[in-house]
Amino acid sequence: SQQGEEDPQALSIQEGENATMNCSYKTSINNLQWYRQNSGRGLVHLILIRSNEREKHSGRLRVTLDTSKKSSSLLITASRAADTASYFCATEAYSGAGSYQLTFGKGTKLSVIP
Amino acid sequence: ETGVTQTPRHLVMGMTNKKSLKCEQHLGHNAMYWYKQSAKKPLELMFVYNFKEQTENNSVPSRFSPECPNSSHLFLHLHTLQPEDSALYLCASSQDQGLSSYGYTFGSGTRLTVV
Repeated sequence: SQQGEEDPQALSIQEGENATMNCSYKTSINNLQWYRQNSGRGLVHLILIRSNEREKHSGRLRVTLDTSKKSSSLLITASRAADTASYFCATEAYSGAGSYQLTFGKGTKLSVIP
Repeated sequence: ETGVTQTPRHLVMGMTNKKSLKCEQHLGHNAMYWYKQSAKKPLELMFVYNFKEQTENNSVPSRFSPECPNSSHLFLHLHTLQPEDSALYLCASSQDQGLSSYGYTFGSGTRLTVV
């Protein structure tokens, strides 16, 4: 079942601008992850933020997590045309018998115009 | 390359055909996953194998049959598919099914078209 839901569904910005994508989820999680997918390709893991963390950085990426609001945001600063892709949030939660399951949202399609 | 290799990249098959998708990883991971990605839908988890044992079958129709002969290889056998099964099939791997520290590693996917 769907857990994360990204907003907006599509985003178009000029090169050099910042891009912000949001993710909301419904149940308790252990961590939240962001992935990127270029058209028709596999997903690439970008960043993982644990439920006890509030903010994390990796290069031009900044992720925040607010567990009280069950929401996360991904900020890409100084965007480049090469950042054009779909971005997915995924929540990892305990699924029973010592196992954890990763559940994905529908994604945000980002277009960066040169 | 991510370390997870899927073949073939593209597959067109008739509804009466039998075909197989292959996934291979040499990352030392012990959990492998099949996901289905259809247009405008979230990724759907189909099957999970942990240390070669199937641990999840997400109510997938029996026309999809997974096989995991060892921790490095995963197959998805396809038989009498329907046009609505056309999608991008993604394989992923992770250290195991415990809480991840580094996320999943995905292959590039197989684009399946059922005619």
